[in-house]
Amino acid sequence: DAGVTQSPTHLIKTRGQQVTLRCSPISGHKSVSWYQQVLGQGPQFIFQYYEKEERGRGNFPDRFSARQFPNYSSELNVNALLLGDSALYLCASSLTGGWSSGNTIYFGEGSWLTVV
Amino acid sequence: SQKIEQNSEALNIQEGKTATLTCNYTNYSPAYLQWYRQDPGRGPVFLLLIRENEKEKRKERLKVTFDTTLKQSLFHITASQPADSATYLCAPTGANNLFFGTGTRLTVIP
Repeated sequence: DAGVTQSPTHLIKTRGQQVTLRCSPISGHKSVSWYQQVLGQGPQFIFQYYEKEERGRGNFPDRFSARQFPNYSSELNVNALLLGDSALYLCASSLTGGWSSGNTIYFGEGSWLTVV
Repeated sequence: SQKIEQNSEALNIQEGKTATLTCNYTNYSPAYLQWYRQDPGRGPVFLLLIRENEKEKRKERLKVTFDTTLKQSLFHITASQPADSATYLCAPTGANNLFFGTGTRLTVIP
């Protein structure tokens, strides 16, 4: 079975540009969450979506937005890129939304974004 | 705001010994605590989840404890092997949020 797939795997953008990252969850999973991982740090929660609705949002500026499509895939958009946005962006999927039921989340391999 | 601390950035142990990693959290009351393994350049991989009403959980050579009074979780790898070398992340988990620690980089020396 295919795991969580993310694209692109690597990309380089210029300051001020916009970027769109894509994620396909594991088949049957309805929840997708996004994380930013700066080198040497743990992943930081950005968004969670379940059944196409935003269920949670981390402490990130409005330049970050996301959406989930009817097929449960998701996109993360970042506008007006800053040098500090350079990071590994991870997508994770789980069967249902929220974590109160003890959902296991499965991560993709991430998209490496470099802002120059 | 919540704060999550993992004992040290790096831990070196001899093959065959037990590795013990610590995760402390403050200003937070998670319902669960998860542990992940992350290899360089890869996404985290789920290892174990322990609920707030569970004291201990085991899976093969792994053992996790969860003390909600101390706000601490301990993660043990017994009979460690060089293949266990990786960064281990703890993630206290609430109903609608999940926060990761900065991780402990474990190196098992043959």
